[in-house]
Amino acid sequence: AQSVTQLGSHVSVSEGALVLLRCNYSSSVPPYLFWYVQYPNQGLQLLLKYTSAATLVKGINGFEAEFKKSETSFHLTKPSAHMSDAAEYFCAVSEGTGGSYIPTFGRGTSLIVHP
Amino acid sequence: DVKVTQSSRYLVKRTGEKVFLECVQDMDHENMFWYRQDPGLGLRLIYFSYDVKMKEKGDIPEGYSVSREKKERFSLILESASTNQTSMYLCASSLQFTEAFFGQGTRLTVV
Repeated sequence: AQSVTQLGSHVSVSEGALVLLRCNYSSSVPPYLFWYVQYPNQGLQLLLKYTSAATLVKGINGFEAEFKKSETSFHLTKPSAHMSDAAEYFCAVSEGTGGSYIPTFGRGTSLIVHP
Repeated sequence: DVKVTQSSRYLVKRTGEKVFLECVQDMDHENMFWYRQDPGLGLRLIYFSYDVKMKEKGDIPEGYSVSREKKERFSLILESASTNQTSMYLCASSLQFTEAFFGQGTRLTVV
């Protein structure tokens, strides 16, 4: 069975500061991992994905995430926050061959950016 | 670009009404999903479908049913709407083992 834990329902940073959103997963087979962003009253938009190629994955809007198998983590980072980054962020996992392809989502982290 | 279109952005329905939420995707994806999103609870899977006329229950199917008569269309049905079904409903589609593409969401209010 797969599951996702996002630490912190809210993260607050100043504009220009480092953004770090945490995600830990459990999976019985090698996972596929995703980060999505949701702006108010919108659907989810893919930020980046890990599918067993490079462990450091670069996404849109300057975000990146690193897959660490030993820590079962896939934390999302951005060196310098911008006001437009304020949104809800979701980590998701689906399992590879032999597992469930259905994406399971974390509860989300709301990113607040202060001027 | 993949497009997933949900028929309504906002809906207000009365308790006891039968409600249909429609979702259409244009990329020939075999998988389609209905999620419900509530504050603090993230996305919870209601039903999914991996082929025409095939459906599987997700984590919270009670009070809902689905229909998939054509590959591109996946409908969510609330048989008798209740106030605890007031929520944001998100439809998504995907190929096998790839990312899901989401519609804009339908915010349903049951009064």
